[in-house]
Amino acid sequence: AQSVTQLGSHVSVSEGALVLLRCNYSSSVPPYLFWYVQYPNQGLQLLLKYTTGATLVKGINGFEAEFKKSETSFHLTKPSAHMSDAAEYFCAVSERASGTYKYIFGTGTRLKVLA
Amino acid sequence: DTGVSQDPRHKITKRGQNVTFRCDPISEHNRLYWYRQTLGQGPEFLTYFQNEAQLEKSRLLSDRFSAERPKGSFSTLEIQRTEQGDSAMYLCASSLPTTRDEAFFGQGTRLTVV
Repeated sequence: AQSVTQLGSHVSVSEGALVLLRCNYSSSVPPYLFWYVQYPNQGLQLLLKYTTGATLVKGINGFEAEFKKSETSFHLTKPSAHMSDAAEYFCAVSERASGTYKYIFGTGTRLKVLA
Repeated sequence: DTGVSQDPRHKITKRGQNVTFRCDPISEHNRLYWYRQTLGQGPEFLTYFQNEAQLEKSRLLSDRFSAERPKGSFSTLEIQRTEQGDSAMYLCASSLPTTRDEAFFGQGTRLTVV
C-alpha cells in the first residue's frame, strides 16, 4: 500500500526566507506525486505534480519540488516566502494499483510566514 | 465552467438527522471522488465514480453513507442518522480520464453535527 509522511505539522519562516516542506512517500510502483495548498475553509488547489520525466518540477506561485527516488522524497521549496504563502500544504501520492487513481494524502504542514 | 462546485458550503444539523450534499464536477471530467477531512488531518478517500458507476468505496463509508452519480453528471452524498463523529469537511474532486491528470477539488461542505 502506498503512503505519505509529512515531517513537521507546523513550519514557521520569516518573510523572504527559504520555504522547505518535507514529504516522504512509500510506493511499490513508480509514484505519481502531488502537492496541494489549502487556505482556511477552502478546497485544495494544485501547486505541482510529478508523473514521469524531469525530476525537478516547477509549479505555481514560485514553488518547486524535486523527486528523489533514492530518498523516496518529494520536498516542496520556495526561495523566498511571501505572506500570502501562509496556508496548509498537503503532499499526496496517487494510488494507481487499484485503478481508481485516488489520492493518499499526508497529514499536512501548516506554514506560517512571519513579518 | 469555472470548476468543481459543492453545495451547501456549510451545514449544521442535529444528531440523528439525514443530510445530503451535492457536487457538480467539471463538465468533461468523468472521474469523481469524495473525500472527508477532519481537523488536523489530510483528506481521506471515501468513494470513486467513473461516469455513473461507483467503482470503489472506502471502509470509512459506513452503511449510513450513500453516494450516487445519476447519468454520470452531478453526484450526491447522503448521510443518514448523523453522528457527532460525522462532523468534517466533505470534499468532492473530479478529473479527466487520462491517468496522470490531477484532481480538481471543490471548496467543500463543512458539516457540523450538534
